[in-house]
Amino acid sequence: AQTVTQSQPEMSVQEAETVTLSCTYDTSENNYYLFWYKQPPSRQMILVIRQEAYKQQNATENRFSVNFQKAAKSFSLKISDSQLGDTAMYFCAFMTDSGTYKYIFGTGTRLKVLA
Amino acid sequence: DTGVSQDPRHKITKRGQNVTFRCDPISEHNRLYWYRQTLGQGPEFLTYFQNEAQLEKSRLLSDRFSAERPKGSFSTLEIQRTEQGDSAMYLCASSLDGSGRLTQYFGPGTRLLVL
Repeated sequence: AQTVTQSQPEMSVQEAETVTLSCTYDTSENNYYLFWYKQPPSRQMILVIRQEAYKQQNATENRFSVNFQKAAKSFSLKISDSQLGDTAMYFCAFMTDSGTYKYIFGTGTRLKVLA
Repeated sequence: DTGVSQDPRHKITKRGQNVTFRCDPISEHNRLYWYRQTLGQGPEFLTYFQNEAQLEKSRLLSDRFSAERPKGSFSTLEIQRTEQGDSAMYLCASSLDGSGRLTQYFGPGTRLLVL
C-alpha cells in the first residue's frame, strides 16, 4: 500500500521569503504521479503543481517548484517570493498510473505567510 | 465551466438520522470521486464512479454508506443511522478521461456534524 507523509504540521514564512514544504512517500510502483494541492481557509482545494515520476526534470509553475528525488522517495515544494495569498493548508498527494487514479493524501502542512 | 458544486455546504444532524449529500461535477467530467476529510487529516478516498458505474469502494465506506450516480451526471452520498464518528468534511471531485484523469477538480465540500 502507498503512504504519504508530511512531517511539518505547521510552518510560517515572512512575505517575500522562500519556504520549503516536505513530503515523503512509500510505494513499490514504478509509474506514478505526485501532486501538491492547496486548500485556502474555507475554500476548495486547487492543484498547485504536478510531477510525473518518469520525468527527471523537476516541475515548475511560476513561484512554485518541486524537488523530486525518486530514489529517496521525496517530493518537496518550494514557494518563492511568498505572498499573503499563499496562506493555506498544503497537501502532498500520490497517484498510481493505473486503476481508478484516486489520490492518496498526506496529513497536510498549514502554511502561514506573515506580513 | 462553473466548477464542482456540493450541497448542502453544512449539515448538522442528530445521531441515528439519515443524511444525503449531492455533488454536481463539472459537465462532461465522467470520473467522479468522493473523499472524507477529518480534522487534522488529509482527504481519504471513499468511492469512485466512471460515468454511472461505481467501480471502487474504500473499506472506509461501511454498509451505512451508499453512493449513486444516476445517468452519469450528479452523484449522491447517503449515510444511514449517522454516528458521531461520521462527523467530517465530505469532498467531491471530478475529472476527465485521458490525460485529464490526472487532475481532479474539487468541490467546496459538505461539512457534517453529528450530535
